[in-house]
Amino acid sequence: DADVTQTPRNRITKTGKRIMLECSQTKGHDRMYWYRQDPGLGLRLIYYSFDVKDINKGEISDGYSVSRQAQAKFSLSLESAIPNQTALYFCATSDFGQGYNEQFFGPGTRLTVL
Amino acid sequence: KNEVEQSPQNLTAQEGEFITINCSYSVGISALHWLQQHPGGGIVSLFMLSSGKKKHGRLIATINIQEKHSSLHITASHPRDSAVYICAVVGGYTGNQFYFGTGTSLTVIP
Repeated sequence: DADVTQTPRNRITKTGKRIMLECSQTKGHDRMYWYRQDPGLGLRLIYYSFDVKDINKGEISDGYSVSRQAQAKFSLSLESAIPNQTALYFCATSDFGQGYNEQFFGPGTRLTVL
Repeated sequence: KNEVEQSPQNLTAQEGEFITINCSYSVGISALHWLQQHPGGGIVSLFMLSSGKKKHGRLIATINIQEKHSSLHITASHPRDSAVYICAVVGGYTGNQFYFGTGTSLTVIP
């Protein structure tokens, strides 16, 4: 079984709809991250969480919100989806330690907003 | 303005060739990561570096903190190495900012 799972893997939705992407991990890591990837732009950090009570905005948090329901679960919500949020979304985890350790990525969610 | 620049953007090599991908960054960092993204989209972390050099099988990563530069080398390249290689740094003025390069697309031809 995969250590970092994302659901759904693919989603097509319409402008204005609320959508939630979910991430679960079995690695026991404290740190979790949400990224989006767009062609030609590379990965960009949306939000990150260093533990259940810690939520931090990343580079492009506008239009997104997150919830860290438990150590193992980190959800990303688009309150009112818009077409320029069409992208590939990745969840990642890392362990707490000295510096910033290796990140483990989920398989990605391909989101299309029509 | 890109805090992380990779070169080349695209690279085609014959099987067996020695490959080098370069990464330059403009911010102070606490760590640099090399990631591999396969055509299916999955991303795997290859290395995390804060100084010196690391080796993993046919892959070697080096970093020069003074020059703000890192290289990823692949020795004896193989078609299964075909992927996008992404350089990422952690640092910036808060020390917690993540910056990613746009990736180098590598194709190794048999």
